[in-house]
Amino acid sequence: AQSVTQPDIHITVSEGASLELRCNYSYGATPYLFWYVQSPGQGLQLLLKYFSGDTLVQGIKGFEAEFKRSQSSFNLRKPSVHWSDAAEYFCAGYMNYGGATNKLIFGTGTLLAVQP
Amino acid sequence: DSGVTQTPKHLITATGQRVTLRCSPRSGDLSVYWYQQSLDQGLQFLIQYYNGEERAKGNILERFSAQQFPDLHSELNLSSLELGDSALYFCASSPGAGLTDTQYFGPGTRLTVL
Repeated sequence: AQSVTQPDIHITVSEGASLELRCNYSYGATPYLFWYVQSPGQGLQLLLKYFSGDTLVQGIKGFEAEFKRSQSSFNLRKPSVHWSDAAEYFCAGYMNYGGATNKLIFGTGTLLAVQP
Repeated sequence: DSGVTQTPKHLITATGQRVTLRCSPRSGDLSVYWYQQSLDQGLQFLIQYYNGEERAKGNILERFSAQQFPDLHSELNLSSLELGDSALYFCASSPGAGLTDTQYFGPGTRLTVL
């Protein structure tokens, strides 16, 4: 079945440390992939997206993600985390469900806590 | 601020009742998407409208319906409400209907069914 998986439910990092959030997808072709962030009490905001081409994608707020076809992964990274990065992060993929039905499938999210 | 507005912010109602959630997309956006976010189901796509027409359907229950009006605002109608319908309902909008469009999310409506 087509799916997006975020293996880590909760991650804690120290401020200034590097961050990597994992995302794996299961799909017969290359999906369109996204990372969204949801701050407490807020809607989702797009960090970055990948459709094709360069497998290293730069996003907002200093985030980047790398698409690896061989590993069916699209991990999100940031070299130095700030306290304001504490939020929930969602990986999502646009997948075809037959005919004209394409829908955005979200992973279960990774809650990031940042220690001072 | 994404430019997408949703009303009301909070809604508390009883089982068996019917409610309507409203969404106004960003100026110029033709697509509206509805999502449900709950603790047990996570974030699920419900339905998409593009320029007044239903474009894609996700895990939307038969008790739920939506429409997009000529002014492009959208309403999500939830009827015969059950306790399990308690969730955060998000609306998102995008300029077109294409897969490459970025979706802009509203702040959500928190529905509590008692």
